[in-house]
Amino acid sequence: DQQVKQNSPSLSVQEGRISILNCDYTNSMFDYFLWYKKYPAEGPTFLISISSIKDKNEDGRFTVFLNKSAKHLSLHIVPSQPGDSAVYFCAASGGSNYKLTFGKGTLLTVNP
Amino acid sequence: DVKVTQSSRYLVKRTGEKVFLECVQDMDHENMFWYRQDPGLGLRLIYFSYDVKMKEKGDIPEGYSVSREKKERFSLILESASTNQTSMYLCASRAWGAYGELFFGEGSRLTVL
Repeated sequence: DQQVKQNSPSLSVQEGRISILNCDYTNSMFDYFLWYKKYPAEGPTFLISISSIKDKNEDGRFTVFLNKSAKHLSLHIVPSQPGDSAVYFCAASGGSNYKLTFGKGTLLTVNP
Repeated sequence: DVKVTQSSRYLVKRTGEKVFLECVQDMDHENMFWYRQDPGLGLRLIYFSYDVKMKEKGDIPEGYSVSREKKERFSLILESASTNQTSMYLCASRAWGAYGELFFGEGSRLTVL
């Protein structure tokens, strides 16, 4: 039972354009969401998070949007840069659950 | 900066060997986690610990055990390695509670022959 779904295994965009990565979740107990970026042979690094009391959070070029009614969140990267090319993981947790549940990831390729 | 250090970046072991993966964090975090990452499967939680000597099973604990004798150290043990345990293993830590970001180590790439 996959509780966090990233339905696009890969995404390719041109440098300077917007990258939009999507994530859906099924567990209504989830109330805290994070995005991580991972380069090959390295550990994931935290990008941005959002709690369910907000519907948007920005940090520089990165913005996360949360639509609780649709159980959907998205990560927008504007403008995209070649160094953003990596695998992006969506993750969620909630309540007293210490676990952080990850999606399968989306490979973003930003072409110069 | 938070530092999560995994003892070995690359290991090659034989089927049936006992394997220890060590992880140390330097930020006095209560929570520590072991994940494995496989292509097309994302990050899957093996075990986690929310305090010294406390441990809980994650989603895929079979074939693994863990040890947390000291707050800063969380070890993953493969009692008898098998080829399907060939994977990237990622240790992470987080401060107290169920919220907040996880800080990951660099990962340990284990190959079981």
